[in-house]
Amino acid sequence: IAGITQAPTSQILAAGRRMTLRCTQDMRHNAMYWYRQDLGLGLRLIHYSNTAGTTGKGEVPDGYSVSRANTDDFPLTLASAVPSQTSVYFCASSVSGGYNEQFFGPGTRLTVL
Amino acid sequence: GQNIDQPTEMTATEGAIVQINCTYQTSGFNGLFWYQQHAGEAPTFLSYNVLDGLEEKGRFSSFLSRSKGYSYLLLKELQMKDSASYLCAVSDSNYQLIWGAGTKLIIKP
Repeated sequence: IAGITQAPTSQILAAGRRMTLRCTQDMRHNAMYWYRQDLGLGLRLIHYSNTAGTTGKGEVPDGYSVSRANTDDFPLTLASAVPSQTSVYFCASSVSGGYNEQFFGPGTRLTVL
Repeated sequence: GQNIDQPTEMTATEGAIVQINCTYQTSGFNGLFWYQQHAGEAPTFLSYNVLDGLEEKGRFSSFLSRSKGYSYLLLKELQMKDSASYLCAVSDSNYQLIWGAGTKLIIKP
């Protein structure tokens, strides 16, 4: 692995289904983030983790949950998907807090029908 | 509230110079970032400013005025591959990034 990876690349999901988006980094970065990107809007932070074992809520956390059991992995779970969660989801990581550049994964395009 | 403003779209000619502006109002300031995002791809880091002034990096330069809540990204000797969206983001008092909606730059031959 080189950098940060996400899976799946894209997914079509029925409303009401549970879905976990995976994110793994091999840079030993402390901080990790989940964003959603919608047309005409800036990236919006869903959840973040400043270090393994801790997580925090971002701007739009409702309907999403995360965990950070170790340094490398930061999965995002949609407990019961709704059409408004149709978006492109980016995972990112940085050495530490918000004054370090963030490195982004390739994104997951999710469609909820 | 927190707000980042940048133009939605700009058009420029190959070989020319273009300036993309960003104004911000945030709770606290811990630096301003510029990212480039090609269509269908992830954002990639271009620059970081935390002090007033101009930072030059090859064909790209970024300027910051904290007192005016203003930054710009200057792209020189434009190439077709510079066609992309340019995202402005500010690190706020909680060290979280607040993002603008991005400026789509179209380069014409």
